[in-house]
Amino acid sequence: DQQVKQNSPSLSVQEGRISILNCDYTNSMFDYFLWYKKYPAEGPTFLISISSIKDKNEDGRFTVFLNKSAKHLSLHIVPSQPGDSAVYFCAASGYYGGSQGNLIFGKGTKLSVKP
Amino acid sequence: DSGVTQTPKHLITATGQRVTLRCSPRSGDLSVYWYQQSLDQGLQFLIQYYNGEERAKGNILERFSAQQFPDLHSELNLSSLELGDSALYFCASSVGIASNSPLHFGNGTRLTVT
Repeated sequence: DQQVKQNSPSLSVQEGRISILNCDYTNSMFDYFLWYKKYPAEGPTFLISISSIKDKNEDGRFTVFLNKSAKHLSLHIVPSQPGDSAVYFCAASGYYGGSQGNLIFGKGTKLSVKP
Repeated sequence: DSGVTQTPKHLITATGQRVTLRCSPRSGDLSVYWYQQSLDQGLQFLIQYYNGEERAKGNILERFSAQQFPDLHSELNLSSLELGDSALYFCASSVGIASNSPLHFGNGTRLTVT
């Protein structure tokens, strides 16, 4: 049973436009969400995170939005650049059993930004 | 460069064999995590160590084991290998125990079982 779902395996966007990557989760105990970016032949790299007490977090061209009632988060990249072409993983963790649980990852969305 | 080093980068072996994957965490990081990424799958958490002690277990098979040594490097041992064990194995590290501090990943070991 997938607790973190990225329903779009791939996304293609024109350079300069907005990229929106979506992620849904099922576990209401999740209270911390992260996005990782992965280039081929490299490990995932931390991009941006958001705590459940917030609904938005911004870092340069990257903004993450959290809708707790819908159990949905999204990553916006504006403007998109060819160098953003990578696989993006959504991840979540929750505090239960007296400690912060380990990260649960989605399957990833492959973003292609075309010049 | 994340500062996490994994060796070897590639490993090809036969079914039934045993292999050891090695990970050196980022300087100063006490937690080490192992993840498995199979084809078209997300990253599956296997196991976490903190300062030499096992901290959490995920979907790790009984044929797999891991340890973290006093110098904080970690090894993942995979035995009685099956074709389905072919995957990318990532090691990650973080400063503390809690997973709400970002993990720093190595570049992975690609294991191919033939």
